[in-house]
Amino acid sequence: SQQGEEDPQALSIQEGENATMNCSYKTSINNLQWYRQNSGRGLVHLILIRSNEREKHSGRLRVTLDTSKKSSSLLITASRAADTASYFCATDVDQGGKLIFGQGTELSVKP
Amino acid sequence: DAGVIQSPRHEVTEMGQEVTLRCKPISGHDYLFWYRQTMMRGLELLIYFNNNVPIDDSGMPEDRFSAKMPNASFSTLKIQPSEPRDSAVYFCASSLISGSTDTQYFGPGTRLTVL
Repeated sequence: SQQGEEDPQALSIQEGENATMNCSYKTSINNLQWYRQNSGRGLVHLILIRSNEREKHSGRLRVTLDTSKKSSSLLITASRAADTASYFCATDVDQGGKLIFGQGTELSVKP
Repeated sequence: DAGVIQSPRHEVTEMGQEVTLRCKPISGHDYLFWYRQTMMRGLELLIYFNNNVPIDDSGMPEDRFSAKMPNASFSTLKIQPSEPRDSAVYFCASSLISGSTDTQYFGPGTRLTVL
């Protein structure tokens, strides 16, 4: 079964708008990661947030984590057409090195 | 560094044939992961290695799938015999210290089509 579930499954916005994607998970975690996948390419790591952190920033990305609600959100501010991609959250399920990926949110940014 | 290298990038084969996918991880990385991505099932972890040793192969679909890592710079994923339902994009990824607390670096993937 999926550990992480993204919401929405698809999101279409205009360039310059903000995009928010959510991820919910089922079991306790040590950290949560967000990845981006451009069409036909491998996944690229965006940001990692640990369970004792509530918010993290990287450029135009802002990630929040609420362990009490078992949820995380990824905010992309001032979106660009180049941000068009699928975005995945991934959670660790044990100490051994395994990540479980959600189904992803497909973001389309129209110029 | 060239990143994670996978070959071939595309593979088209007929049902029943043996398929071998190859991966060269980033030099110095201790962990190597094999994933499969389909529209129906998303991104699934098949198996991962730590220091060339298989740690968890619970995601390997069935005995037709096997993976090896004979040394730190090379891994193979073999499907024998292949079936149409094996059609997917197969990704290899590596990480420096731990896959769950460290960044995973993905290769470009191998798109497999089994006719």
